[in-house]
Amino acid sequence: DGGITQSPKYLFRKEGQNVTLSCEQNLNHDAMYWYRQDPGQGLRLIYYSQIVNDFQKGDIAEGYSVSREKKESFPLTVTSAQKNPTAFYLCASKSYGSYNEQFFGPGTRLTVL
Amino acid sequence: GESVGLHLPTLSVQEGDNSIINCAYSNSASDYFIWYKQESGKGPQFIIDIRSNMDKRQGQRVTVLLNKTVKHLSLQIAATQPGDSAVYFCAEGIQGAQKLVFGQGTRLTINP
Repeated sequence: DGGITQSPKYLFRKEGQNVTLSCEQNLNHDAMYWYRQDPGQGLRLIYYSQIVNDFQKGDIAEGYSVSREKKESFPLTVTSAQKNPTAFYLCASKSYGSYNEQFFGPGTRLTVL
Repeated sequence: GESVGLHLPTLSVQEGDNSIINCAYSNSASDYFIWYKQESGKGPQFIIDIRSNMDKRQGQRVTVLLNKTVKHLSLQIAATQPGDSAVYFCAEGIQGAQKLVFGQGTRLTINP
């Protein structure tokens, strides 16, 4: 089956710890994205990557970091500098081209205690 | 600030009725629009898209209407079913840019 996987589904961390969220896709998509979703709000873009070894900041990149060493993988690290990290994190990917929709993974709910 | 929009707009409809969900988009340069459906605790799913050279597009039980004059997008769901209960997001994009901008979302609830 082709798709996007995110792991784990639920993640708990203590305040002050860095945590890395996994995102893998086997759709052979070029671009990958990380969004944050808070209750009652839309999706806000954290980082995105159009090709391997390259990525750009989105609207709320502060306190987050990413890497794109492989086409299939785009892990997101939530650092201790992120002031309010508890949220639902969504990864997406799309093939190259302007009129292609983004496909989303199932999400990871991060709770910082 | 980040607290804007804590409460999603909600649309309640009777099972079997038609639903109309509206979206005001922000950028007059946007030329591509998508509707997504998000069920509780899951990632958004693509429903239908439309390009700016069209004003209407139909899918299975869904129709999207685009009014560029007033920057308005709507999603019509025919014969609403319990499985249609979800939050619906519109998203806008621009040719050449690889990003989408998402709206706040509307929660659709179905009354039996």
